[in-house]
Amino acid sequence: DQQVKQNSPSLSVQEGRISILNCDYTNSMFDYFLWYKKYPAEGPTFLISISSIKDKNEDGRFTVFLNKSAKHLSLHIVPSQPGDSAVYFCAVREETSGSRLTFGEGTQLTVNP
Amino acid sequence: EPEVTQTPSHQVTQMGQEVILRCVPISNHLYFYWYRQILGQKVEFLVSFYNNEISEKSEIFDDQFSVERPDGSNFTLKIRSTKLEDSAMYFCASSHDRAPVSYNEQFFGPGTRLTVL
Repeated sequence: DQQVKQNSPSLSVQEGRISILNCDYTNSMFDYFLWYKKYPAEGPTFLISISSIKDKNEDGRFTVFLNKSAKHLSLHIVPSQPGDSAVYFCAVREETSGSRLTFGEGTQLTVNP
Repeated sequence: EPEVTQTPSHQVTQMGQEVILRCVPISNHLYFYWYRQILGQKVEFLVSFYNNEISEKSEIFDDQFSVERPDGSNFTLKIRSTKLEDSAMYFCASSHDRAPVSYNEQFFGPGTRLTVL
């Protein structure tokens, strides 16, 4: 299943700097996009989402950008904090397929103090 | 803050045995889901459930799998005859609404690690 890809398995940034996590998708029918964060031994935690009618959504330190023409989604975290160190998954939903979420592979973010 | 809970946290079973994984969704949520993550692979959708019936299921969710809401709080996933390849983390999730009524944020439990020997 290559519909959703996170090409970077890992990312390391310094505390206080910006973290940029990327996600690419292939299906133009996807209409809702989410980011989840996952710590070890825990389930995915919902972080932020964006619908296909928008190109940006902001919530505190987290901003999600959607580029529909490029079928590209990104999550910006600024400033990054050591507690942000986790695996970040993008997930997408296709309206015609109901509520199922399709996940990317995940990117391990490490924020160094 | 309300959360989804799952029991047990780790289940070890012999191949061919039946297992039941349990979940307690968030109390005012109406839609329930099971996902799994095989080690090193993506989180995959298994099934969604609403109003006491399956609303959609993936190709993974074959006749070996079943779901049930036996009472007002629990949501279970049963695997009838486990196979080695069923070893995975199983995540339960719930949401208050679902597409296309609204954009549904699904809230996940901590998962049950199933090991089939």
